[in-house]
Amino acid sequence: GQQLNQSPQSMFIQEGEDVSMNCTSSSIFNTWLWYKQDPGEGPVLLIALYKAGELTSNGRLTAQFGITRKDSFLNISASIPSDVGIYFCAGPEFQGAQKLVFGQGTRLTINP
Amino acid sequence: GAGVSQSPSNKVTEKGKDVELRCDPISGHTALYWYRQSLGQGLEFLIYFQGNSAPDKSGLPSDRFSAERTGGSVSTLTIQRTQQEDSAVYLCASSLFYRRGTQYFGPGTRLLVL
Repeated sequence: GQQLNQSPQSMFIQEGEDVSMNCTSSSIFNTWLWYKQDPGEGPVLLIALYKAGELTSNGRLTAQFGITRKDSFLNISASIPSDVGIYFCAGPEFQGAQKLVFGQGTRLTINP
Repeated sequence: GAGVSQSPSNKVTEKGKDVELRCDPISGHTALYWYRQSLGQGLEFLIYFQGNSAPDKSGLPSDRFSAERTGGSVSTLTIQRTQQEDSAVYLCASSLFYRRGTQYFGPGTRLLVL
């Protein structure tokens, strides 16, 4: 089946720094989703991308749908302590599918 | 408004026992999903419901796993004869069918099989 590879697996940064993470696939995705999971909680949808090349922002978060449709990027500007958590990329298994495929996650830790 | 709720929040059971996990989706959401998350891992799809029917059960790991949904609302995931490798967080999500990918997740049930 389709797989999503996220990098880096973990990040340790200072408060105020910008963060970049990405997600790649060996096959084309038509939708890219970015979720954040806090400890003990379910994932929360941050940004959804539906068109190749699309750039979408949600506050300090910006995500892009790669032109090749095989990658996506998530950037967080001026990180704050509440940004700590695990960030997952995800996408429908195939166009129109209800089943989501998830990456393994990027764990973000922030030193105050 | 109320989000997706799951119960119990934590479950400890002995190997070989059966367990039932419950999910209450967001009111009006016709699609319901079960995922499993092992420690430090991403989410693994288990099953998807549209209404009360399950068009996609492809992720259920074995015939010990089953799920049902009644009244187009509450869903129960049942694991029979639990094994230690079943220990994980079981997450439920719901969505409006036509909302591409926008699944809303519950807090999960943490299952520990001793």
